[in-house]
Amino acid sequence: NAGVMQNPRHLVRRRGQEARLRCSPMKGHSHVYWYRQLPEEGLKFMVYLQKENIIDESGMPKERFSAEFPKEGPSILRIQQVVRGDSAAYFCASSPGPGQGAHEQYFGPGTRLTVT
Amino acid sequence: QKEVEQNSGPLSVPEGAIASLNCTYSDRGSQSFFWYRQYSGKSPELIMSIYSNGDKEDGRFTAQLNKASQYVSLLIRDSQPSDSATYLCAVIFDYGQNFVFGPGTRLSVLP
Repeated sequence: NAGVMQNPRHLVRRRGQEARLRCSPMKGHSHVYWYRQLPEEGLKFMVYLQKENIIDESGMPKERFSAEFPKEGPSILRIQQVVRGDSAAYFCASSPGPGQGAHEQYFGPGTRLTVT
Repeated sequence: QKEVEQNSGPLSVPEGAIASLNCTYSDRGSQSFFWYRQYSGKSPELIMSIYSNGDKEDGRFTAQLNKASQYVSLLIRDSQPSDSATYLCAVIFDYGQNFVFGPGTRLSVLP
């Protein structure tokens, strides 16, 4: 099975532009999670999605950030009007859903966003 | 406040020794616990999950869970320089789905 895929791996945006980060979960997985990691800091949960449904967005900033996981295609994390403080590594993880190992999350390689 | 704490690093051990990594969490109702390893500049890799009190062994790794004391630990036997990484403890609180990660403990295994 292919692992969790994220693209792009590196993204450079100027302040005020939009950033779109994509995540394709592992085959057979129906749950997607997004995390942000600042340099030398821990992983912070942002949002948890299933197909066409946001389950928990308690870690998502109220403004400029949105996420979706459509019926077809990858999950997308969208950051509008980026600021320098958005520079971080953004990781996507997926899990299989109900059943054994339901909560085990497998991470993609991450997208490193740099805002100039 | 749902919190996961880990002993501060860096933790340095000689090659071949046992490395012991500890994690405490704030919610007694937590049910699911995970250890991840993260090399610098890379994404976290799942090492082990544990759900029941006691020990769970997988190769050189042993996870220990004590729900009454609200701690979970990871032992690495016969530590190798390739084990040098940051180890992250993750907890699912109550019956939720999302992880709360600890800040991580940086382990350095000295040849």
